Amino acid sequence: NAGVTQTPKFQVLKTGQSMTLQCAQDMNHEYMSWYRQDPGMGLRLIHYSVGAGITDQGEVPNGYNVSRSTTEDFPLRLLSAAPSQTSVYFCASSTGTNTGELFFGEGSRLTVL
Amino acid sequence: TQLLEQSPQFLSIQEGENLTVYCNSSSVFSSLQWYRQEPGEGPVLLVTVVTGGEVKKLKRLTFQFGDARKDSSLHITAAQPGDTGLYLCAHSGGGADGLTFGKGTHLIIQP
Repeated sequence: NAGVTQTPKFQVLKTGQSMTLQCAQDMNHEYMSWYRQDPGMGLRLIHYSVGAGITDQGEVPNGYNVSRSTTEDFPLRLLSAAPSQTSVYFCASSTGTNTGELFFGEGSRLTVL
Repeated sequence: TQLLEQSPQFLSIQEGENLTVYCNSSSVFSSLQWYRQEPGEGPVLLVTVVTGGEVKKLKRLTFQFGDARKDSSLHITAAQPGDTGLYLCAHSGGGADGLTFGKGTHLIIQP
């Protein structure tokens, strides 16, 4: 059972470089989201999508772009990486109801030098 | 954004002891979720509580939702090293913008 798959698991970037974190889910979930997790800050929502073609900003969207061309995929793009974006990134999906369970990927650890 | 305060931030106890961790807010929640996150992995849902005063049990874990739906607790009986992890509470704001998480309680159970 694949669930939510994130790639890559680890990445090191230099300041100013761009990259895309990939996220795919095979549960036919309409709702997908990206969180970042930092020590002492908990999980913070970056962007989310309630279905293909629909995206919106979360709590900390600056410096990140997303798109949702299919139900399965929700990539997160860093346009010009900054050291402040060093973090562990989690993609999650759910059925979208208020009490719906969030299914998380294993995370992508990003270091920006 | 409704803030969730979790306490304690860190807890280290011996195997076999009991413990309680808390999730509090000044706001009323329609529902609350508890997740456990192990190192190198994403959080995994343990339980969702919806009704004020609700108590749910998951083996040695007991979850309670406060009568006023502003707080919740997680009690672990006879803790085991496998209970080690980061325990997160989370709530939905009621809209489509996802869950808001507390900062979590880091729990270490020493053999």
